[in-house]
Amino acid sequence: AQSVTQLGSHVSVSEGALVLLRCNYSSSVPPYLFWYVQYPNQGLQLLLKYTTGATLVKGINGFEAEFKKSETSFHLTKPSAHMSDAAEYFCAVSEDNQGGKLIFGQGTELSVKP
Amino acid sequence: KAGVTQTPRYLIKTRGQQVTLSCSPISGHRSVSWYQQTPGQGLQFLFEYFSETQRNKGNFPGRFSGRQFSNSRSEMNVSTLELGDSALYLCASSFDGGRSAGELFFGEGSRLTVL
Repeated sequence: AQSVTQLGSHVSVSEGALVLLRCNYSSSVPPYLFWYVQYPNQGLQLLLKYTTGATLVKGINGFEAEFKKSETSFHLTKPSAHMSDAAEYFCAVSEDNQGGKLIFGQGTELSVKP
Repeated sequence: KAGVTQTPRYLIKTRGQQVTLSCSPISGHRSVSWYQQTPGQGLQFLFEYFSETQRNKGNFPGRFSGRQFSNSRSEMNVSTLELGDSALYLCASSFDGGRSAGELFFGEGSRLTVL
């Protein structure tokens, strides 16, 4: 069965610093991988996804993630944090690469200090 | 294009009651999925409907049920509410599987409190 592990339930960075949110997955099939962001009192918004092809995926708001099959990782990065990046971030893997069933990690809350 | 709309946004129920939550997907989206979000368990998949048929189901008891109408709108029902059902219930729509698999558009959720 697929599973997702996010290292660190809370990450704090200074404005302008590098953001690195870690995600490792397990999957019995070539995975579809996702990062979603949730702002307070809102639903989730898709940041980026990996299906096949290029392993470095660029998303919205300057975020990107790299799929590393050998490390079963899909870490999320952003070169320079902005105050508006403060939110909770979820890594997810598609259960069957077909529909709407995703397996989510426990989430990482990102705080950005001025 | 209007987003995913969930109603009601907030509700309070007592143990033993039942509740029905509604979700209107983005126009043109035929798949609707439901998730439960709690601080302890995180985001857990409840079920997915596509063209009025349940396509996938998570590991929740039979008290949790859903349905989808011909216009793709969906409802979920929880019967005999328990304190542990207190959660944010999120609905998400997507165009279809295939290359758009997992590209979910979420509503803002219905926050259920069970007293």
